[in-house]
Amino acid sequence: QQQVKQSPQSLIVQKGGISIINCAYENTAFDYFPWYQQFPGKGPALLIAIRPDVSEKKEGRFTISFNKSAKQFSLHIMDSQPGDSATYFCAASMWGSQGNLIFGKGTKLSVKP
Amino acid sequence: DTEVTQTPKHLVMGMTNKKSLKCEQHMGHRAMYWYKQKAKKPPELMFVYSYEKLSINESVPSRFSPECPNSSLLNLHLHALQPEDSALYLCASSQARGGGNTEAFFGQGTRLTVV
Repeated sequence: QQQVKQSPQSLIVQKGGISIINCAYENTAFDYFPWYQQFPGKGPALLIAIRPDVSEKKEGRFTISFNKSAKQFSLHIMDSQPGDSATYFCAASMWGSQGNLIFGKGTKLSVKP
Repeated sequence: DTEVTQTPKHLVMGMTNKKSLKCEQHMGHRAMYWYKQKAKKPPELMFVYSYEKLSINESVPSRFSPECPNSSLLNLHLHALQPEDSALYLCASSQARGGGNTEAFFGQGTRLTVV
């Protein structure tokens, strides 16, 4: 049973456009939702994370929107750049166990110049 | 220093070999993790150590044997692996429960090929 569902599997965006990746979770015990960026041959790096007590969090060009009632959250990348081309994973865990992560299947983002 | 260091970066081993993967962090984190990542798949949790004690083993075969000699080091001992065990092995660390809350930091991984 997949606990975190992520879509789309791949995404192509023009430079300067908005990239949107969506995730849904099932376990209501989850209360920490990070997004990781991974380049080929590298380990995942945390981009931004959110907890259910807020509906939106913004850091630079990256924004997480969170809908607790729908058990959904999404990543928006504004002004997408070719350097943003990577695989993005949403994840979920419980606060206090931030490293015990359930990952979505990932989205491969390609930003075309 | 927010770095998790993994060695070696690449490892090729035969099915009868014994090898070890190493992970080190100096962030004072008391929780450390091993993940396995197959190509084009998400990382999957294998083991969790909390305060140097194994707290989670996600039904990993016994040919993988973790060890946490101290709060900064984590090893993964490998023996009699199969070709399907070829993957990127990731180490991560974070604060443990009750130790404050931080994100989980991942190392760059060890690319393991079993021949």
